[in-house]
Amino acid sequence: GNSVTQMEGPVTLSEEAFLTINCTYTATGYPSLFWYVQYPGEGLQLLLKATKADDKGSNKGFEATYRKETTSFHLEKGSVQVSDSAVYFCALSEGGGSNYKLTFGKGTLLTVNP
Amino acid sequence: KAGVTQTPRYLIKTRGQQVTLSCSPISGHRSVSWYQQTPGQGLQFLFEYFSETQRNKGNFPGRFSGRQFSNSRSEMNVSTLELGDSALYLCASSLGGGAHAGELFFGEGSRLTVL
Repeated sequence: GNSVTQMEGPVTLSEEAFLTINCTYTATGYPSLFWYVQYPGEGLQLLLKATKADDKGSNKGFEATYRKETTSFHLEKGSVQVSDSAVYFCALSEGGGSNYKLTFGKGTLLTVNP
Repeated sequence: KAGVTQTPRYLIKTRGQQVTLSCSPISGHRSVSWYQQTPGQGLQFLFEYFSETQRNKGNFPGRFSGRQFSNSRSEMNVSTLELGDSALYLCASSLGGGAHAGELFFGEGSRLTVL
């Protein structure tokens, strides 16, 4: 079946540091890939998405590129802020009639210190 | 525009009881899906409804069930509760497929504790 593996946290960075959270996936077919973020006490929010190979999703300074050859979708940000502290989830959707069934990674807790 | 609303936010039950959780999706969203979030297993898909029909189901026992009403509101029910059912239950609604495929809007969740 489909699966998503992301780097285990927690990740602790200083403000303005560079962030990378690794994500790799296993899937049949051509899934869409997502990063969701969960701030403390809140539900998940879509951060960015990519629907086909070589697509780059971007939002709020975060970027991730859909790499089919390495089955990866790593999340990056050039300069993190304290407000970026949250749990980040990589996910894929199987597409077609299963567009709404997302398979999530375990999540990576990011803490940014001032 | 109001977000996804889940009720109750917190509840405590004892083993063997049953529980019903409610979810009101964003206006205009016809798809509602449910996820269970636990520290050990992470986020796991329960089921998804569209226009009152269950379209997808995850690998959970039959004690977990759900339904969707004509106004798109959804409920999920867990019968004969077990300690392992303690979790945050998240509801998500979606606008639809095409360019928005996989874009879910989550509620804040219902935290269930089973004693």
